[in-house]
Amino acid sequence: SAVISQKPSRDICQRGTSLTIQCQVDSQVTMMFWYRQQPGQSLTLIATANQGSEATYESGFVIDKFPISRPNLTFSTLTVSNMSPEDSSIYLCSASNNEQFFGPGTRLTVL
Amino acid sequence: AQKVTQAQTEISVVEKEDVTLDCVYETRDTTYYLFWYKQPPSGELVFLIRRNSFDEQNEISGRYSWNFQKSTSSFNFTITASQVVDSAVYFCALSEAAHGSSNTGKLIFGQGTTLQVKP
Repeated sequence: SAVISQKPSRDICQRGTSLTIQCQVDSQVTMMFWYRQQPGQSLTLIATANQGSEATYESGFVIDKFPISRPNLTFSTLTVSNMSPEDSSIYLCSASNNEQFFGPGTRLTVL
Repeated sequence: AQKVTQAQTEISVVEKEDVTLDCVYETRDTTYYLFWYKQPPSGELVFLIRRNSFDEQNEISGRYSWNFQKSTSSFNFTITASQVVDSAVYFCALSEAAHGSSNTGKLIFGQGTTLQVKP
């Protein structure tokens, strides 16, 4: 199984600022994804992070708000831009070959 | 469109009781994968099982067992002799096969079932 780490584990940010979350996998994986879990809710896919090309976004999520990079097969970043209190959530990255494992999440609070 | 329904929002049992968490899914794909994850109060998402659409055999792992029935589009999860440490939110999820391979693609999650096991 892949071991996934995320940085930061949590942050408190001011409205209007941006935060970049890093996701590191301990082995090469075919696919990486970013999910959002709003308080008390289930997980919703933000986008598929494609290695060497633009991410594929789900309905309701746009690149200007959530730019994503994936420079290689083990690393990805998600930026939450121009944050508002509605962006307060847990952001999780996942990595998939066969099973799909999740990082520990980044707990973001926007004031 | 793909959809996962976990009709039970919250379940409360007393330790040592058996409990079944229901999961019903919808998909038009012939190849797909079903998952269960556990999210304890600490927040991390713990992988429990992946099952592909061609394997309807039930699976048992210790106190956990899973019943996959394509005829009813269900993938139910049973915990036998529940323990307080089983208290968590449990998510069922559905994935298509990525690029026609055995890799799993994006996950569609159910709303989750909160299980409380009381001592």
